[in-house]
Amino acid sequence: SAVISQKPSRDICQRGTSLTIQCQVDSQVTMMFWYRQQPGQSLTLIATANQGSEATYESGFVIDKFPISRPNLTFSTLTVSNMSPEDSSIYLCSVDPGGTGYTFGSGTRLTVV
Amino acid sequence: GIQVEQSPPDLILQEGANSTLRCNFSDSVNNLQWFHQNPWGQLINLFYIPSGTKQNGRLSATTVATERYSLLYISSSQTTDSGVYFCAVELYNTDKLIFGTGTRLQVFP
Repeated sequence: SAVISQKPSRDICQRGTSLTIQCQVDSQVTMMFWYRQQPGQSLTLIATANQGSEATYESGFVIDKFPISRPNLTFSTLTVSNMSPEDSSIYLCSVDPGGTGYTFGSGTRLTVV
Repeated sequence: GIQVEQSPPDLILQEGANSTLRCNFSDSVNNLQWFHQNPWGQLINLFYIPSGTKQNGRLSATTVATERYSLLYISSSQTTDSGVYFCAVELYNTDKLIFGTGTRLQVFP
């Protein structure tokens, strides 16, 4: 199965600032997925990122708040913009290399103060 | 949209006990996975099991797709089994993984 390197693993940020999270996959994949997990909650899909096209956002998530880049088939970034304490969550990226199920990065634990 | 419900929401066990976690889903699915999220937030893939039964050491899982449920069995539980267990389903003709509500397991020595 694919191996994903995600960074940073955690960060504490001031409100009003932005944070960019990176995910690097050890193999080429068509789609990458970004999830949010609010404290004590399950995981919610933010968007799906295809290489060479704009990301597709789920209901309740917008590009201005969560811009995503996908410059090639092994890399993606998610930016959390103009942060508020409500953005404090774990953010995870994921891929489905095919046939073995989805694999997740180790997550980014974000605290906004 | 599809509903994915897990039970029980919380489970407290003494080391050595056995347990069964359940995942019910409201529509037909293409695939189903079980994950363990450890206390550090890392999500570990336990089983990729759209149907049938699989075993891996002390863990096993069974999915009955026609009846829209899956079970995760943990035998001889250990403190390292503590964390949150999620099932997640992939719908037909989509690439979206929908997560269940989770079961929080605490195993005490």
